[in-house]
Amino acid sequence: GQNIDQPTEMTATEGAIVQINCTYQTSGFNGLFWYQQHAGEAPTFLSYNVLDGLEEKGRFSSFLSRSKGYSYLLLKELQMKDSASYLCAVRLYSGNTPLVFGKGTRLSVIA
Amino acid sequence: DSGVTQTPKHLITATGQRVTLRCSPRSGDLSVYWYQQSLDQGLQFLIQYYNGEERAKGNILERFSAQQFPDLHSELNLSSLELGDSALYFCASREGEGASRNSPLHFGNGTRLTVT
Repeated sequence: GQNIDQPTEMTATEGAIVQINCTYQTSGFNGLFWYQQHAGEAPTFLSYNVLDGLEEKGRFSSFLSRSKGYSYLLLKELQMKDSASYLCAVRLYSGNTPLVFGKGTRLSVIA
Repeated sequence: DSGVTQTPKHLITATGQRVTLRCSPRSGDLSVYWYQQSLDQGLQFLIQYYNGEERAKGNILERFSAQQFPDLHSELNLSSLELGDSALYFCASREGEGASRNSPLHFGNGTRLTVT
């Protein structure tokens, strides 16, 4: 089976930096996606990594190490609106194939 | 707004009943994916269609079926409903075979199904 692990919950302070980790053991790998999902709403795309290293997009960065089966999402200058679930997802194969999602990390940003 | 439209937003029905969830993908997207999200399990892939044909199947129960029509909208049919089928059902779409590999899935706002 496919295994994608993330911490269930995290809490961080407004203005701080938080790192959300994701480890995966999957039968294939063709890229890793991070999504943000506010409660009861649609997941929205944040970032994509397929090669090792860091991808930066404003306050959000994502890192990938394929040899370790590991990724993290880094959120800087946290804002209250960043309180949401963050979903790690792996595309197993190339082409138009589904994503396999982890259970998500629920982040609470407190004042 | 992702451009993916799902109806209805909410559905309340009784055990044993049958319901149909509808999804219109983003304009130009040929692939449609259905996911189920319950509190404990996260997003579980159910089934994928590409240009009218079934492309991939995940953890979809035999009581569930789907199809994609010539206009590319898709319907997910859930029958003999059980209490455990209560969940958020999301539809997502993506471009066709020529899509770049970093092209993500775009999700609709989901249908919240409550089985009583």
